[in-house]
Parts: sequence; structure tokens; C-alpha cells
Amino acid sequence: QVQLQESGPGLVKPSETLSLTCTVSGGSISGYYWTWIRQPPGKGLEWIGYIYYTGSTNYNPSLKSRVTISVDTSKNQFSLKLSSVTAADTAVYYCARLVGATDFDLWGRGTLVTVSS
Amino acid sequence: QTVVTQEPSLTVSPGGTVTLTCASSTGAVTYGYYPNWFQQKPGQAPRALIYSTSNKHSWTPARFSGSLLGGKAALTLSGVQPEDEAEYYCLLYYGDAWVFGGGTKLTVL
Repeated sequence: QVQLQESGPGLVKPSETLSLTCTVSGGSISGYYWTWIRQPPGKGLEWIGYIYYTGSTNYNPSLKSRVTISVDTSKNQFSLKLSSVTAADTAVYYCARLVGATDFDLWGRGTLVTVSS
Repeated sequence: QTVVTQEPSLTVSPGGTVTLTCASSTGAVTYGYYPNWFQQKPGQAPRALIYSTSNKHSWTPARFSGSLLGGKAALTLSGVQPEDEAEYYCLLYYGDAWVFGGGTKLTVL
């Protein structure tokens, strides 16, 4: 079955760039949208953005100026970059699959990223 | 700033029925908002339950159902089980942007 796994540094310094990768196993990245979602400790979920396997993207307007999502179909991976981070970006970051652009069916287990000096 | 509102908390007795709702600050929720519902238990990732208002995944228990009710998206649990105690989030589509509700903490007591 298809599984998603987030990876990347668990600690990022303020003003630097957060970089995470989601590896898709058990199935192809092609044919689907792929998305990033985050959850600050003890708080609710926030949609960050999505990418189609062809490379077209769409971002949360509140984060758009700082977010870049990319895809590498040869590695079956997609990635998130969030620039100029502050403590407010401390969160568990989840990657998920988006079927038909409307169904967030499969999620990774999430990875905690802490922004601190 | 679009706001999606859910009940902060609800309590239901085992075997009972409860309806969680999801309202939009822009007006009535319609099928075009493609409501999604997720269940999250402490320390776990969210799990998808419902998509496009009322469609279930293969793993979604039959006691969960989604609908539109009174201008809101709704998630109804019939015959609640103790394991249904969790946080529930809705998600709505606003033309290329998705917005989560704040979540409903469901207590089974």
C-alpha cells in the first residue's frame, strides 16, 4: 500500500529556510496532487500548499511569499521549503496525497520542526 | 480572512448519536466546497474519514456519515463507540485554497 514519509531537520534557526522532503513508497507519485499541512503544538491544522506531479503549484495566500513546493518524479518525492522562519513556524509538518484535487486520503506520520536559535 | 468554524467541544454517550458541523464565514457551505472530515487522536496523524461532502473511504466505519445541513457541512456519528473519542477537523475548498476548521474535541462519556 502507498505510504508517505516526511524527512528533514528537526531544528531550524530563526530567519533560515525550513526544508522537508516527503518520500512516496508503494505507489507512483504520478497522476496525483501532493500537499503539505502543518500543526503547531496543541493547535489546529493549517494547509500550506499543493503540487501536481507535473509541477503546477498552489499555495496558502498567508504563506505564499515564503513557500516553495517542488516535485522529483524520478525519486518519487516532493519537497517543501519555507523561508525566513520564526518561532511561529514551529509545528508538526505532514505530507499528504490529494486525489482528484478534492480528497486528502493518505497522510504521513508527520515530523516536528522546531524553530529556535 | 476566511474562517471555518466548528464546535469547540461536544460530549456524547456511548451508543448515542452526535452531529458535528462546519460553517463558513463566507456563507452557506455547498457541494462546491468539497468538505473533507478528519479524525485525529493524540500523538497521531489525522486520518481521512469523509471527502466531497459524503463520500467514505474504504476504512471509514459505517457509523460515520457526511452531509450538508442547514448551510453547513456536517459529520454524524451514529452508535458512537468509545474509540471515537478524538479531535475532528473539517476542511473546505475556496477556489484554489483550502481552509481547515478549528476542530471539535469529541468526548465519549
